[in-house]
Amino acid sequence: EVQVVESGGGLVQPGRSLRLSCAASGFTFHDYAMHWVRQAPGKGLEWVAGISWNSDSIGYADSVKGHLTISRDNAKNSLYLQMNGLRPEDTAVYYCAKGSGFAFLQYWFDSWGQGTLVTVSS
Amino acid sequence: EIVLTQSPGTLSLSPGGRATLSCRASQTVTSNYLAWYQQKPGQAPRLLIYGASSRATGIPDRFSGSGSGTDFTLTINRLEPEDFAVYYCQQYGISPPYTFGQGTKLEIK
Repeated sequence: EVQVVESGGGLVQPGRSLRLSCAASGFTFHDYAMHWVRQAPGKGLEWVAGISWNSDSIGYADSVKGHLTISRDNAKNSLYLQMNGLRPEDTAVYYCAKGSGFAFLQYWFDSWGQGTLVTVSS
Repeated sequence: EIVLTQSPGTLSLSPGGRATLSCRASQTVTSNYLAWYQQKPGQAPRLLIYGASSRATGIPDRFSGSGSGTDFTLTINRLEPEDFAVYYCQQYGISPPYTFGQGTKLEIK
């Protein structure tokens, strides 16, 4: 069974950093692109970033360019989101999502984790 | 950036009925790279449809997707109580960003 499990969320002050992790199991992790999608409280879904199977191709939403960084470690079956200079508008549930192909473009998301809540507040 | 607009914002129907949800794109969606997801309160989204009309594994045939270009539709026949949720369309084209519609809430009438 495909599983992706996020961790690392919590309450953080504006300007501080946080690192989210996503542990994958039940599939050949290094064969698939991965993504982060977020959902602010009571709002819709927003794609944050995506990374290809071998990390050669990465993309970001304009709203997070420069302060969120996606990465992966295929040896550890793990995806990461480094969050620097956090702002109140980054408050959201962050979902890890498995792409259905090796590239981060042109493929839909076929499995999602349950999400981890990040709250940015003083 | 492709903007997706979903309508209606809220749809009130009774179990057993048929739901028709619309997703309109601001420009042509390449190769019909359009997906639909269902999200229930407190849960992660679940993939229903990809490629505009292909059902994901395990999705009942009550769910069907159609459309091309800029206009897409998700139809749910014979509504079951578990179908009442929020539905999002998403385009996953050849350049970032991926975008989602704002969602349609399907509620019990």
